[in-house]
Amino acid sequence: QAVVTQEPSLTVSPGGTVTLTCGSSIGTVTSGHYPYWFQQKPGQAPRTLIYDTNNKHPWTPARFSGSLLGGKGALTLSGAQPEDEADYYCLLSYGAAGPVFGGGTKLTVL
Amino acid sequence: QLQLQESGPGLVKPSETLSLTCTVSGDSISNSDYHWGWIRQPPGKGLEWIGSMYYYSGNTYYNASLKSRVTISLDTSKNQVSLKVTSMTAADTAVYFCVRVLGPTGPDFWGQGTLVTVSS
Repeated sequence: QAVVTQEPSLTVSPGGTVTLTCGSSIGTVTSGHYPYWFQQKPGQAPRTLIYDTNNKHPWTPARFSGSLLGGKGALTLSGAQPEDEADYYCLLSYGAAGPVFGGGTKLTVL
Repeated sequence: QLQLQESGPGLVKPSETLSLTCTVSGDSISNSDYHWGWIRQPPGKGLEWIGSMYYYSGNTYYNASLKSRVTISLDTSKNQVSLKVTSMTAADTAVYFCVRVLGPTGPDFWGQGTLVTVSS
């Protein structure tokens, strides 16, 4: 089974910009992996921010965007707010092998 | 307004079978745009895909590491999604989330989750 990799932790200053990445152990991440991004705050269920690389839900704050960057999936937060401090998970789809989650990134806004 | 509400036992003994139910309101599990599935998260750890099911085809898609122990089913009369996991062990202790899935690729909406502890 493929392993999906994320930065264990990142720190961003309030108002700053940070990019989280999502890599695959078996090669380049493409749109065909339909990258997803989720935000999870302590004691809460995750919520989906981005689907299919760069599509947003109505509840997704405009400061979040998804893309492909350097062979990985990427989530960029522009203009970080204190309420963005959370764990972020990505998910890649591997066809018949099914989806696989990354290990998560703990984002600190400080 | 879409709501997914998980229910089931909070405590299961080792070797027993876990049965969880997710009651869906605000959408129909026979909606052709979506699959329905389950994801779990051990305490303090990351997320793990369990599997999903599509009403129209009856096809199920399971995590290979769990496939031999997991069954997902849909009950349109009650608009419910069910999960059964056999031969439970302490490693199956987790919060179990019911999810609506966009195709077989990923979840767009999550239930609040239910904690299941495996202990004698």
